[in-house]
Amino acid sequence: DAKTTQPPSMDCAEGRAANLPCNHSTISGNEYVYWYRQIHSQGPQYIIHGLKNNETNEMASLIITEDRKSSTLILPHATLRDTAVYYCIVVNNNAGNMLTFGGGTRLMVKP
Amino acid sequence: GAVVSQHPSWVICKSGTSVKIECRSLDFQATTMFWYRQFPKQSLMLMATSNEGSKATYEQGVEKDKFLINHASLTLSTLTVTSAHPEDSSFYICSARRTGNNSPLHFGNGTRLTVT
Repeated sequence: DAKTTQPPSMDCAEGRAANLPCNHSTISGNEYVYWYRQIHSQGPQYIIHGLKNNETNEMASLIITEDRKSSTLILPHATLRDTAVYYCIVVNNNAGNMLTFGGGTRLMVKP
Repeated sequence: GAVVSQHPSWVICKSGTSVKIECRSLDFQATTMFWYRQFPKQSLMLMATSNEGSKATYEQGVEKDKFLINHASLTLSTLTVTSAHPEDSSFYICSARRTGNNSPLHFGNGTRLTVT
């Protein structure tokens, strides 16, 4: 699976949009981009995933560049409860479905 | 609501004893489940892939005789940490996926194991 690069940490003001970048320059054509987050002492929570089109659900939006080498997770109105480590993972859905976690981005939402 | 249930959420045991952790898929069948381990301030590391009706597949460096995995039904996988030692203290997390294309992996809420 392609590796991903994320900034280790980010801050965001409460109520503002949080934009979390992810680079995956070696992504291949059949690999999806998944985003999970982990709040302290809990299991990872699925947020969103996509292949090449932008996606939106009740939690977030996922913007994937046209060349698919990077993506951005957008939390439109961050709250204090969004403070967590966010993981961007690229995975081939035909390869056993296991996920390989990198370091993620520690998002701190501040009042 | 939760789609993967993990039990117990925390356990404290004495060195040398064994601990069993259960992972259940709720309202769906999972032929494959995954077990991860997370040490403080580190990311999740895959330990093994649990396959219903067959032997688990372990990642390099994970001792299969120490971390026994049983996937006896389509909704239950168990991880038993045998002869636990303080260095086995960690956060153990399981995950499972509904069948169907593009369905994401869902994770349990983890089990915090402390070996004294």
